[in-house]
Amino acid sequence: EVQLLESGGDLVQPGGSLRLSCAASGFTFSSCAMSWVRQAPGKGLEWVSHISSSGGSTYYADSVKGRFTVSRDTSKNTLYLQMNSLRAEDTAVYYCARRMVAATAFDYWGQGTLVTVSS
Amino acid sequence: QSVLTQPPSASGTPGQRVSISCSGSSSNIGSNTVNWYQQLPGTAPKLLIYSNNQRPSGVPDRFSGSKSGTSASLAISGLQSEDEADYYCAAWDDSLNGYVFGTGTKVTVL
Repeated sequence: EVQLLESGGDLVQPGGSLRLSCAASGFTFSSCAMSWVRQAPGKGLEWVSHISSSGGSTYYADSVKGRFTVSRDTSKNTLYLQMNSLRAEDTAVYYCARRMVAATAFDYWGQGTLVTVSS
Repeated sequence: QSVLTQPPSASGTPGQRVSISCSGSSSNIGSNTVNWYQQLPGTAPKLLIYSNNQRPSGVPDRFSGSKSGTSASLAISGLQSEDEADYYCAAWDDSLNGYVFGTGTKVTVL
């Protein structure tokens, strides 16, 4: 059974940093591209970042470019999102999602982890 | 901000057919496939339709998707109470070099 389990969400002050993790199981992690998607309270979905299966290619939304870094550790079957210079508008539930091998869709999602940026 | 536009709400009575539109541009829907997600209250999104009109295993055939030019649509036939949720379209955008979601549509079963 495919499982994605996010962790690391917390309350952090503006300007602070946080690292999210997404532990993957039930599939060959090294074969799948992964993304982070967030949802601010009461708002819609916003794609944040994407990393290829090899980790060699990464993509970011303009809203986080230069502040967030996505990475993956195949030996630990874990996806990461390093978030620096956090702003109030980064407050959201962050989901990790697996991209289908032969399509652009995300077929499995984690349960999400809440990041709150506030003083 | 979302570059794919959806109506904020849609509704119908049980058994009716409801359709949700998703309007984009040549850089996203016009040149890439469209996916649809369902989000029940308080839960993570769930893939409903991929590659314009394909249903993942386990998704009822009451749900169908289509695409034409720079627009796409999701249809729910035989509406049921458990279909009450938020629905999002999405596609890769070649200009933004990123994935874009629609503004979302809340479906209410009357």
